Amino acid sequence: DTAVSQTPKYLVTQMGNDKSIKCEQNLGHDTMYWYKQDSKKFLKIMFSYNNKELIINETVPNRFSPKSPDKAHLNLHINSLELGDSAVYFCASSQGGGLAAYEQYFGPGTRLTVT
Amino acid sequence: SQKIEQNSEALNIQEGKTATLTCNYTNYSPAYLQWYRQDPGRGPVFLLLIRENEKEKRKERLKVTFDTTLKQSLFHITASQPADSATYLCALGTGFQKLVFGTGTRLLVSP
Repeated sequence: DTAVSQTPKYLVTQMGNDKSIKCEQNLGHDTMYWYKQDSKKFLKIMFSYNNKELIINETVPNRFSPKSPDKAHLNLHINSLELGDSAVYFCASSQGGGLAAYEQYFGPGTRLTVT
Repeated sequence: SQKIEQNSEALNIQEGKTATLTCNYTNYSPAYLQWYRQDPGRGPVFLLLIRENEKEKRKERLKVTFDTTLKQSLFHITASQPADSATYLCALGTGFQKLVFGTGTRLLVSP
């Protein structure tokens, strides 16, 4: 009964390829997120969706496109992969929205290696 | 510029002692602050949340303080155990569910 799951766990691909990472949460949460954790372990938000609507879109290259088919799923598609995209990508979810404070539940991460 | 600073060097303590981790921030006005634990190869796990109008929060052996004047949060683990060894991340809540994370402090508790 995994709360936030991601697939795949590891992804090794060549520069220029297009790849997708999938995320699903079974917590009934309204808000989902994508984070990137670089080699220095710095965790930075990329996108956030609330009830399938994009609410946070940080300064991320437009090669990255999130898609939320429903409240329980948030996928990340990356076009024309570059070496600098190598990182661990975490999906997360939380209840509610707006300015209220809620804890976030993170998935296990997807380690992307671009060669 | 905006910054969140946590001790970049690992904190080494002996089992049974109290570990104190710091989180300092500049040019933010967070409505709340959260602490997470991250083990190698895994996603962060939520530990505690404290709001700007709260001075202190406790949960079992954990205690967090939040001083909006000093722009600092302290995270304490009392009676530390080797199983507490992990990286601890502070995160500022800056609105609309947006968390801005610090770089984390690695805690090593030796038996």
